[in-house]
Amino acid sequence: TQTVSQSDAHVTVFEGDSVELRCNYSYGGSIYLSWYIQHHGHGLQFLLKYYSGNPVVQGVNGFEAEFSKSDSSFHLRKASVHWSDSAVYFCAVSAPQGGRALIFGTGTTVSVSP
Amino acid sequence: DPKIIQKPKYLVAVTGSEKILICEQYLGHNAMYWYRQSAKKPLEFMFSYSYQKLMDNQTASSRFQPQSSKKNHLDLQITALKPDDSATYFCASSQGGQGDAEQFFGPGTRLTVL
Repeated sequence: TQTVSQSDAHVTVFEGDSVELRCNYSYGGSIYLSWYIQHHGHGLQFLLKYYSGNPVVQGVNGFEAEFSKSDSSFHLRKASVHWSDSAVYFCAVSAPQGGRALIFGTGTTVSVSP
Repeated sequence: DPKIIQKPKYLVAVTGSEKILICEQYLGHNAMYWYRQSAKKPLEFMFSYSYQKLMDNQTASSRFQPQSSKKNHLDLQITALKPDDSATYFCASSQGGQGDAEQFFGPGTRLTVL
């Protein structure tokens, strides 16, 4: 069984600050890891994904994430946030075998203050 | 132009009734999905279809029945509605049904069961 844990329910940052959103997963085999963003009242939008290779992956709008097998983590980072980054961020895992389901974490709400 | 259309945006139903949630995608994708998001639970995977065939079903209740009349349609029929069914239902699609395929989400249908 795959599980995803996002330990921070809510993060508040100032515009221009950096932010890191934590994601830890539990799964015994190979998995795909991804991050999605959900702005209020909208559906989810894909940010980035990782399966193999370089553990640091670049996504849209300046986001990047780093995979760590030893920590079972896939944390999302942005060096300088903008007010439009205020949203809920979801970490997700899926398995290659019959891996059509995205299993989501509980989400982290990011509030960016001016 | 919206690439994934979900209708209606809002839906109010009475307990015991039946409703159909509509989803159409114009991305040319061959895999479609349904997810549910409620206040009590994080985003939950419900169903996946590939080439109009059911691939995964992680919904325990048979009251939820996906229907695919065309390859770019995946509607969700819910019968004998209960207040616990109140949630936002998201349709998604991807090119390919493997775990690494980026999923594109619709805007959701918010269902309230009274």
